Amino acid sequence: AQSVTQPDIHITVSEGASLELRCNYSYGATPYLFWYVQSPGQGLQLLLKYFSGDTLVQGIKGFEAEFKRSQSSFNLRKPSVHWSDAAEYFCAVDRDDKIIFGKGTRLHILP
Amino acid sequence: DTGVSQNPRHKITKRGQNVTFRCDPISEHNRLYWYRQTLGQGPEFLTYFQNEAQLEKSRLLSDRFSAERPKGSFSTLEIQRTEQGDSAMYLCASSPVASFYEQYFGPGTRLTVT
Repeated sequence: AQSVTQPDIHITVSEGASLELRCNYSYGATPYLFWYVQSPGQGLQLLLKYFSGDTLVQGIKGFEAEFKRSQSSFNLRKPSVHWSDAAEYFCAVDRDDKIIFGKGTRLHILP
Repeated sequence: DTGVSQNPRHKITKRGQNVTFRCDPISEHNRLYWYRQTLGQGPEFLTYFQNEAQLEKSRLLSDRFSAERPKGSFSTLEIQRTEQGDSAMYLCASSPVASFYEQYFGPGTRLTVT
């Protein structure tokens, strides 16, 4: 069965520091891959997506993610985080026209 | 375009009562999805519609749950004889059929069963 693993439940970084959130997927082929962000009181928002081609994809709010087939990973990165980035981040894959989400990583920002 | 809206935003009910939630998708979107999210988990797929047709239901959707999308516009999700385990955030999303992955989510309805 296809699954998404986000090994870090919580991540804390200082404002201005770089960020990397990990995501691994298990699937027989290269799926469509996504990162979503969920801020308190707000709906899920799509940050970026990967379908094919260039393995480094750019998203909104200064985020990027890199697809590595050999590692079955799709890690999210940001060079310098802002306090407003504190939120929950979900990695996700497609399966039969549905989105399958990981359990999420909660990002805390230290001032 | 006002995005996906859901009503109510919060619902508190007593165990055994029936509840109904409404989702209004983005008007030109053919597909409408329902997800459930519990604390510490990512959203889990429940069911989805293409226009008025319900194309798939998850095994999570017990027979106490029913969803409709009459006329392919808004959708309702009803839970009969609620149980405490039904307490969760119920999320709705919509997308164009040609790009189902471009799902736009509503703010959710938080259900608390006491």
